[in-house]
Amino acid sequence: GDSVTQMEGPVTLSEEAFLTINCTYTATGYPSLFWYVQYPGEGLQLLLKATKADDKGSNKGFEATYRKETTSFHLEKGSVQVSDSAVYFCALRRSSGGGADGLTFGKGTHLIIQP
Amino acid sequence: ETGVTQTPRHLVMGMTNKKSLKCEQHLGHNAMYWYKQSAKKPLELMFVYNFKEQTENNSVPSRFSPECPNSSHLFLHLHTLQPEDSALYLCASSRGTAFSGNTIYFGEGSWLTVV
Repeated sequence: GDSVTQMEGPVTLSEEAFLTINCTYTATGYPSLFWYVQYPGEGLQLLLKATKADDKGSNKGFEATYRKETTSFHLEKGSVQVSDSAVYFCALRRSSGGGADGLTFGKGTHLIIQP
Repeated sequence: ETGVTQTPRHLVMGMTNKKSLKCEQHLGHNAMYWYKQSAKKPLELMFVYNFKEQTENNSVPSRFSPECPNSSHLFLHLHTLQPEDSALYLCASSRGTAFSGNTIYFGEGSWLTVV
């Protein structure tokens, strides 16, 4: 079945540091890939997405590129802020006709940014 | 504000009680979902509805009973729950299930505690 693997953390960085959160996936067909963010006490918010190979999703300074050859979708940000502290989830959605709908999530990466 | 509203935000219930969680989406979407988020497991897809019809039941125990009277509303009826059912229950919606790139939007969740 489909699966998503990401580092769980917590990942602790200083403000203005460079961030990478690794995400790899296993899926049949050509899934779409997503990063969601969850702030304390809240639901999930879409951060960015990519729907085909080599697409780059970007939002709020975060970027991720859909790499089919390495089945990866790593999240990066050049300079993190304290307000980026949250839990980040990598997820995939199977391509149409692939059977089950909905998102398959990784376990989430807890990011802590220190001033 | 994601356009997906869940009530109540917090619920405490005894194991013999019957309660319901409510979800309403204001996005004009056709697909709605229930997810469970507990501390020790990845986000789990529970149910999928597309145009009011249930298209997926992810082996959820019968003590959880979903209802989708129309494309804008989704309920999760709860009865004779167990303490291990305590979790954050997230409702979500998307334009449809045909294209994997359609974003799934989440509500803020209902925190359920079973005592």
